[in-house]
Amino acid sequence: GDSVTQMEGPVTLSEEAFLTINCTYTATGYPSLFWYVQYPGEGLQLLLKATKADDKGSNKGFEATYRKETTSFHLEKGSVQVSDSAVYFCALPLSGGYNKLIFGAGTRLAVHP
Amino acid sequence: DAMVIQNPRYQVTQFGKPVTLSCSQTLNHNVMYWYQQKSSQAPKLLFHYYDKDFNNEADTPDNFQSRRPNTSFCFLDIRSPGLGDAAMYLCATSRGGDTDTQYFGPGTRLTVL
Repeated sequence: GDSVTQMEGPVTLSEEAFLTINCTYTATGYPSLFWYVQYPGEGLQLLLKATKADDKGSNKGFEATYRKETTSFHLEKGSVQVSDSAVYFCALPLSGGYNKLIFGAGTRLAVHP
Repeated sequence: DAMVIQNPRYQVTQFGKPVTLSCSQTLNHNVMYWYQQKSSQAPKLLFHYYDKDFNNEADTPDNFQSRRPNTSFCFLDIRSPGLGDAAMYLCATSRGGDTDTQYFGPGTRLTVL
């Protein structure tokens, strides 16, 4: 069945460090891929998405490229800020429609000044 | 402006005492979802509505029910909460296409005493 695997956290970085959070998936076909972010005490919000192979999603300095060859959608940011401290979830829609999402386990990022 | 609103933000109930969580949306989306998120875990889909059509996930316990009286509102009823039901409950909406964004509310944190 469909699944999403994320690198385990927590990830602890100093401000301005480079960030990579790995995400790989198993799915039938080429589903859309999403990164959602959850700030402390809040619900999830979309960070970026890619709807087809080789697309690059970007937002707030974060980027991820949909690579079908490696079934990956790794999240990157060149210079993290303290305000990026949050939990990041990779996700894809389950087959069957209605955009029902399956999420990875989440990766907690802590950025220190 | 809040687009997906959940009330209350914090709910305390007693073991076995029914509880209802509320969600409303101003986006006029067809699809509404309820997720359960336990501490440090990914959100897990409980069920979704497409308009008034209710769709239960196969592993959602019978203890969880839902109502959607109109497009804007959706309720989660937990008939007999157990200690294992303590979690954050997230409501989300989308237009339902596999490239569409899901918009999440801030969640209701349920404590079962």
